[in-house]
Amino acid sequence: EAGVTQFPSHSVIEKGQTVTLRCDPISGHDNLYWYRRVMGKEIKFLLHFVKESKQDESGMPNNRFLAERTGGTYSTLKVQPAELEDSGVYFCASSPTGSTDTQYFGPGTRLTVL
Amino acid sequence: QKEVEQNSGPLSVPEGAIASLNCTYSDRVSQSFFWYRQYSGKSPELIMSIYSNGDKEDGRFTAQLNKASQYVSLLIRDSQPSDSATYLCAVHSSGGYQKVTFGTGTKLQVIP
Repeated sequence: EAGVTQFPSHSVIEKGQTVTLRCDPISGHDNLYWYRRVMGKEIKFLLHFVKESKQDESGMPNNRFLAERTGGTYSTLKVQPAELEDSGVYFCASSPTGSTDTQYFGPGTRLTVL
Repeated sequence: QKEVEQNSGPLSVPEGAIASLNCTYSDRVSQSFFWYRQYSGKSPELIMSIYSNGDKEDGRFTAQLNKASQYVSLLIRDSQPSDSATYLCAVHSSGGYQKVTFGTGTKLQVIP
């Protein structure tokens, strides 16, 4: 069984540009989460999808971040326009239907905004 | 006050010793507690979960939970160099939201 995959693994962009991160959860997992870790800080929750619906987006930092999960399969996280403080590692995780405890993490996307 | 607090370390133990990792949390209604292991440059991997007071053992790992003291710990017996990693404490609160709150992690170094 394939794990959670994320693309790209690294992205370097300039301030003001747009970047779109993609996450493919484990097949059949309805729950999908986005987290972010900035340098020296803890991993912070961004949002939680159940299928295509946003269950909790309380962690989204501001309206420059837009997450989508059309069709309830893969998800994208778009940052537009990117700012320096958006640099960090963005993790995606998924968990099976009815179980939000056991979350399987993807390898992360390292975003650097110059 | 951080929601989940851990000593950042590094915690250095000799091979074969017991490594003790500690974590405190602030939200009294938290119901589920997790330990993740993260190797450098890799994704977090769930190694233990605990839901009720007391000890839970899985191989060389023992998780301990004390809800009254809002304290959770992870013991690693017979520590191996391959256990060297950052250990993240995470807490899942009950209620309508299902987010997991992480600590900053404790870096463990097992010295051969």
